[in-house]
Amino acid sequence: QQQVKQSPQSLIVQKGGISIINCAYENTAFDYFPWYQQFPGKGPALLIAIRPDVSEKKEGRFTISFNKSAKQFSLHIMDSQPGDSATYFCAASTSGGSYIPTFGRGTSLIVHP
Amino acid sequence: EPEVTQTPSHQVTQMGQEVILRCVPISNHLYFYWYRQILGQKVEFLVSFYNNEISEKSEIFDDQFSVERPDGSNFTLKIRSTKLEDSAMYFCASTEEGTGGYTFGSGTRLTVV
Repeated sequence: QQQVKQSPQSLIVQKGGISIINCAYENTAFDYFPWYQQFPGKGPALLIAIRPDVSEKKEGRFTISFNKSAKQFSLHIMDSQPGDSATYFCAASTSGGSYIPTFGRGTSLIVHP
Repeated sequence: EPEVTQTPSHQVTQMGQEVILRCVPISNHLYFYWYRQILGQKVEFLVSFYNNEISEKSEIFDDQFSVERPDGSNFTLKIRSTKLEDSAMYFCASTEEGTGGYTFGSGTRLTVV
C-alpha cells in the first residue's frame, strides 16, 4: 500500500533526446508527488513536484505528467544534457499526515554527449 | 543558497561501537529528518523531529537509534552497538514548514567493519 514503484532502473539517452521515468503508487491518500535529483556523493535535491489537482507541471526542460485515475506519474526531461546524468527518485506523500515521502527505488540516468 | 551541513562525510567504525552523526539544518527550518540509503537502494525514512521531540519514526528506527538537538543548531543521530547492516549513507534533511520540499545534506557514509 505504501510502495512507490519506479521504472526503469537505468536509462541511457543521447544528448538532445527525451528521458522518461515512470512511477506508480497504490495509496490513494498520496497527494504530493516530488521528484528528486541526486548526483554522486550528494544528497537528493528537490527538482520538481506536483499535486493531483493538475495533470502536468513544467519547469524548464523538466515536466511531470500525472494520471490520477491510473495512479501513475512520470518525469520527462526534454533536450537531455550530459549534466542531467544523475539518479532520479520519485516520491509520494500525504499532506494530511506529516508529508514524509515514500521514495521509489531510483533511476540512474546517463546522457551521452 | 542555504545548506544542510553534515559531518563527518565518511565514518568507519568497528561493529558494536557507537557512532554519532551530526547535522546542522538550515537555520530557519523547524522540521528535521534522518534518512538512510543502503548502497544502490532507495532512500528510507528513519525519523522526523519537531519542537524538540520525535514526531514520527519508521520501523527501522528501533532502540538502537536516538536523535537529539543538543543546542540551537545541531541535530544528531546516535547509533548504538553498530551492526554490519547499518552500513549506509545517512542523510539529514530539514524543511521550514513540514509541508514537503526537503533540503537534504550531502550525507555521511557509515561503514561498519
